[in-house]
Amino acid sequence: QQQVKQSPQSLIVQKGGISIINCAYENTAFDYFPWYQQFPGKGPALLIAIRPDVSEKKEGRFTISFNKSAKQFSLHIMDSQPGDSATYFCAARPGGSNYKLTFGKGTLLTVNP
Amino acid sequence: GAVVSQHPSRVICKSGTSVKIECRSLDFQATTMFWYRQFPKQSLMLMATSNEGSKATYEQGVEKDKFLINHASLTLSTLTVTSAHPEDSSFYICSATGQGPYYGYTFGSGTRLTVV
Repeated sequence: QQQVKQSPQSLIVQKGGISIINCAYENTAFDYFPWYQQFPGKGPALLIAIRPDVSEKKEGRFTISFNKSAKQFSLHIMDSQPGDSATYFCAARPGGSNYKLTFGKGTLLTVNP
Repeated sequence: GAVVSQHPSRVICKSGTSVKIECRSLDFQATTMFWYRQFPKQSLMLMATSNEGSKATYEQGVEKDKFLINHASLTLSTLTVTSAHPEDSSFYICSATGQGPYYGYTFGSGTRLTVV
């Protein structure tokens, strides 16, 4: 049973465009929602994370939008650059500390120059 | 920021031998560490969770005797793949988190294991 559904599986965007990746979850106990960026042959790196008490969080060109009632959250990458080409994973974790993350299946983003 | 160092980055071993992968938190105390396995173009698959000083908790389907995990200190966890076989070839990644409900998860750079 996949608890975090991520879409699309792959995404191609032109340089300067907006990349949007969506995730939906089922477990209402989730209270921490991070996004990770992974380059080939490297471990994931935290991009940005949000808690359910806010609807949006922005860090530079990256924004998370969170809709608690719909149990959905999304990553927006503004002014996408070729260097943003990577695989992006959303994740979620239930309340408390040190619980395991549940990952989405990933989105391969390609930004064309 | 929090840094997790994982070594080696690549290892090739012969079938039947054992390989140890180290994961160190460099600037924080990692109360919990996680070990993942990742196949090409797939998501991370959690293998086990370990808390410092305790036995690791393995996910269903993960062989405890094949994948030995030790978390003896707040800065070091090791994964030993025993009697490795070609099907164990994969990308292994560790992750560490510290104390507190919203302490982030920091990932290592991964280890590419090839068993020949």
